[in-house]
Amino acid sequence: RKEVEQDPGPFNVPEGATVAFNCTYSNSASQSFFWYRQDCRKEPKLLMSVYSSGNEDGRFTAQLNRASQYISLLIRDSKLSDSATYLCVVNYPGTYKYIFGTGTRLKVLA
Amino acid sequence: DTGVSQNPRHKITKRGQNVTFRCDPISEHNRLYWYRQTLGQGPEFLTYFQNEAQLEKSRLLSDRFSAERPKGSFSTLEIQRTEQGDSAMYLCASSLGLAGVPLFFGEGSRLTVL
Repeated sequence: RKEVEQDPGPFNVPEGATVAFNCTYSNSASQSFFWYRQDCRKEPKLLMSVYSSGNEDGRFTAQLNRASQYISLLIRDSKLSDSATYLCVVNYPGTYKYIFGTGTRLKVLA
Repeated sequence: DTGVSQNPRHKITKRGQNVTFRCDPISEHNRLYWYRQTLGQGPEFLTYFQNEAQLEKSRLLSDRFSAERPKGSFSTLEIQRTEQGDSAMYLCASSLGLAGVPLFFGEGSRLTVL
């Protein structure tokens, strides 16, 4: 089983739609979780950290489910500019190493 | 610009040649990471430093790869005797020396081995 797993997509959604991605992780001792956004041929950029209580930033909401070992990202009112790959990141317990998922590709269609 | 800086941004080389990439992290960050990314995949961990100490190396980092961070500031990643399979984007990231903090990436160095 991979340490961090994501559905690669693509998720094709119309503008204005709500879309959600999940990411599962294998090590229950992981403590730090993040979502990054990556545009084609660019570097990953931090979208948001994921806290135990969940967090929201504008149209974006991230949640952590420790019991089922997954994190989620919800995007409301999708914009064309949200089209990108969304990477899930989890720390490797006991270290400061961060493991990335393969990413979920989102295409928002006009 | 006070972000992570990488150079060269692009490198085309012939198989068998050596290449070196440089990364300058955000100045107050004491952790520095190297990742490799190929098309359609997420970044794969290669190695990381805390100050000048290399704390972990991935099994992906064969003996042809070496990374250094001699004074705890900039870092270099050298690939000796390049192979076509080394073609990838090499990403550097840095972070503060605290638990639970995110990584901040440079723009990457794209390697093409002919």
